[in-house]
Amino acid sequence: SQQGEEDPQALSIQEGENATMNCSYKTSINNLQWYRQNSGRGLVHLILIRSNEREKHSGRLRVTLDTSKKSSSLLITASRAADTASYFCATDPGTASKLTFGTGTRLQVTL
Amino acid sequence: SAVISQKPSRDICQRGTSLTIQCQVDSQVTMMFWYRQQPGQSLTLIATANQGSEATYESGFVIDKFPISRPNLTFSTLTVSNMSPEDSSIYLCSVGLAGVGYEQYFGPGTRLTVT
Repeated sequence: SQQGEEDPQALSIQEGENATMNCSYKTSINNLQWYRQNSGRGLVHLILIRSNEREKHSGRLRVTLDTSKKSSSLLITASRAADTASYFCATDPGTASKLTFGTGTRLQVTL
Repeated sequence: SAVISQKPSRDICQRGTSLTIQCQVDSQVTMMFWYRQQPGQSLTLIATANQGSEATYESGFVIDKFPISRPNLTFSTLTVSNMSPEDSSIYLCSVGLAGVGYEQYFGPGTRLTVT
């Protein structure tokens, strides 16, 4: 399987803290994307980082990409209870846009 | 962006029967995909639904088990045939929009339980 690995599998933090989750993948990519899924519902696209980018920001989200290590990280700053969800990385090899999803990190933010 | 709806949102079916899931998009899109998410797992791509031609299936998925239709650029169906309890999953459709990279927009999913 070419599925990426994410760690940690589960993360529990208090509101206001930062949450960091990591993604490792195996093949060359055109871009890497992060998605959020609330309670087994549809996925919401969060951010996309291209293979020639090293860091990208969107609101409280910060994504880094290290293609030499085939890894990415997602940082959520000043977390909120509403951030409670599962987060998945997905790699796009650039051919027919077939995404390969990582194993996911379940984030629990408590008050 | 794109707004995607799926029907049904959930269903409980008996083994040996079939269920057809519908996916409707609010705009014309070229790329449409079907994924399966088994309980507590990540997403696995089943197939790419091609408009006007046969779907392209991923390894481990076959047309006889998961027939797909794509009659136009806004609609697709996935049928789960001759179901068994192992088919209990969330089935999601998504669409890809051309841009810098192909970010995908997902439907809300269909939660299928097979008894």
